[in-house]
Parts: sequence; structure tokens; C-alpha cells
Amino acid sequence: DVKVTQSSRYLVKRTGEKVFLECVQDMDHENMFWYRQDPGLGLRLIYFSYDVKMKEKGDIPEGYSVSREKKERFSLILESASTNQTSMYLCASSFWDSMNTEAFFGQGTRLTVV
Amino acid sequence: AQTVTQSQPEMSVQEAETVTLSCTYDTSESDYYLFWYKQPPSRQMILVIRQEAYKQQNATENRFSVNFQKAAKSFSLKISDSQLGDAAMYFCAYRIAGAGSYQLTFGKGTKLSVIP
Repeated sequence: DVKVTQSSRYLVKRTGEKVFLECVQDMDHENMFWYRQDPGLGLRLIYFSYDVKMKEKGDIPEGYSVSREKKERFSLILESASTNQTSMYLCASSFWDSMNTEAFFGQGTRLTVV
Repeated sequence: AQTVTQSQPEMSVQEAETVTLSCTYDTSESDYYLFWYKQPPSRQMILVIRQEAYKQQNATENRFSVNFQKAAKSFSLKISDSQLGDAAMYFCAYRIAGAGSYQLTFGKGTKLSVIP
């Protein structure tokens, strides 16, 4: 089974801190994603990566950056955490071709910024 | 930009009954994929069912089936013989097919409650 692992289930950080959310997948997937999930807003794409060191902005990249130095690991970075970044963060990975169309998700990280 | 709309924030169904969740989407593309994902209270998102736009036949997975109306850009999920374990958030999602089309766009979700 594909496994997507997020390093923390819950995090509490202070305003202004630099925050790292880590995601690791074990299926050699090219594509990895970071989503933010808020009640009533669904999942919104922050960034995605289609190869090592390659990244693309999603719908809400402001205040975030990402790093993908190795194929299996995709990190989301909050350069200076703010209270409006309190949210659930979901990581996903996929390998997409005509036979593989599914994205696999981690369990999520609930981040609270105080 | 592609958009996915789920107009029912919450729904409930009696155990063993049937429920239909609605989804509409907006795209100018002709080749794409549509998905329904389930997120139980434990939060792990899992794929329920997928539909390729070029296939006219509606997808079915056990108690889950879809009604795909390409012209109307509608993609509803029917859950038959509802079970307590079906209680979850359900998200409709869309992705353009083909190389270079990596983004998966989600709707806002429908919270389904199952009443014993």
C-alpha cells in the first residue's frame, strides 16, 4: 500500500516562528502536493511539485514556500507563522498516467498558531 | 480556471437508505477525470470512485455509483444501503487529463451523517 506520512498530527507554534511541515511518500511518486483544509472552504492547493527541485504555485501560495530536495520528501515552510495560517494541512502524492489517476493523502497536520 | 461546486454543505441519511450527493464543475476541457474522495473523522482522505470523462458509462464501486452528465457538467455520487461507516466528509474533485496537468481541484465538501 502507498503510504504518505506527515511528520506531525498536531502542532502549536507562536506567531512569527518559522514552521516546517514534512511529508514523506514511499511509492516513488513524481507529484506531491500541499493543501490547506478549512471548514466551508474545502481543500485549497498551496503548492505542488512534479519533480525534485521543481515546484508550482497553487491557488493560495502567499505566506508559504516549499522544498523538494529528494523525490520522497516535500516540505511546506511557513516563513513567519501568523494566526490566519491556523488550519489543517494535507499532503498528497501521485503518479499520474492513463492507468494511475489516484492521489494518496497523509493523515493531516493540525497547525495552531498562537 | 476550473471550479468544482458542491451545493450541499451537509446531508443526512437513514441507515440502509440511499443518498445522492451533488457536484457540478466548470471546465472548457474535453478530457478530464472526476473523483469522489471520502474523509472520515480520522481525517485520512481516501478515493471512493473515479470517472474518466471520455467514458459514457457511469462508474460503480460496490454500493457507490455516479451519475455523470457531461453536457450538464454534473457528477453526483449515489450511496446505496448506507452504513454507519459511510459518515464522513465527501469531496468532489477534478483533474484535467494529459501530460502537464497535475493540479487536482476540490469542491468545498459535503458532510454526510448516517442516522441509525
